[in-house]
Amino acid sequence: EVQLLESGGGLVQTGGSLRLSCAASGFTFSTYTMSWVRQAPGKGLEWVSGISAGGDSTYYADSVKGRFTISRDNSKNTLYVQMNSLRAEDTAVYYCAKSSPRSYGEFENWGQGTLVTVSS
Amino acid sequence: DIVMTQTPLSSPVTLGQPASISCRSSQSLIHSDGNTYLSWLQQRPGQPPRLLIYKISNRFSGVPDRFSGSGAGTDFTLKISRVEAEDVGVYYCMQATQFPLTFGPGTKVDIK
Repeated sequence: EVQLLESGGGLVQTGGSLRLSCAASGFTFSTYTMSWVRQAPGKGLEWVSGISAGGDSTYYADSVKGRFTISRDNSKNTLYVQMNSLRAEDTAVYYCAKSSPRSYGEFENWGQGTLVTVSS
Repeated sequence: DIVMTQTPLSSPVTLGQPASISCRSSQSLIHSDGNTYLSWLQQRPGQPPRLLIYKISNRFSGVPDRFSGSGAGTDFTLKISRVEAEDVGVYYCMQATQFPLTFGPGTKVDIK
């Protein structure tokens, strides 16, 4: 059974940093592209960033480009996102999502999410 | 960026009756490889999203056949043939033809 377990969320001050992790199990992690998707309280879904299976290609939403860095450690079956220069508008539940073999953007498995709150 | 719009944004439905959600993209979702990367996701209250439909009309594993997707180019539709209580939630269309990947605003489906 595929499992994705996010961690690392919490309360951080404006301008601060946080690193989220997503521990994956139940599938061959190193062969799947992965993404982070976030959801502000009471709002819709926003794709944040994606990374190829080998980690050599990364993609970002304009809203986080230059501030967030996605990475993965295939030896640890773990996906990360380093979030710097955090803003109030980054407050959200952050989900990690596993892509299907067919397409980067077919998110066939999701974690339960971790809440990030950015406050002054 | 490709902008996704959905109508309606709210859809109260009667149990056992059909429901339909429209999704429109600001530009064609036909990829250079010939595929159209339009998906539908369901988010039940308090739950993470769940993939329902991929590439316009393909039901994901375990999705009931009362869910169906159709469309082409820039106009797409999700239909629920007979709404059940477990279908309550928010439905999102999403395009993965072009980065950045973008979602529609969501359509809330609840029971009348």
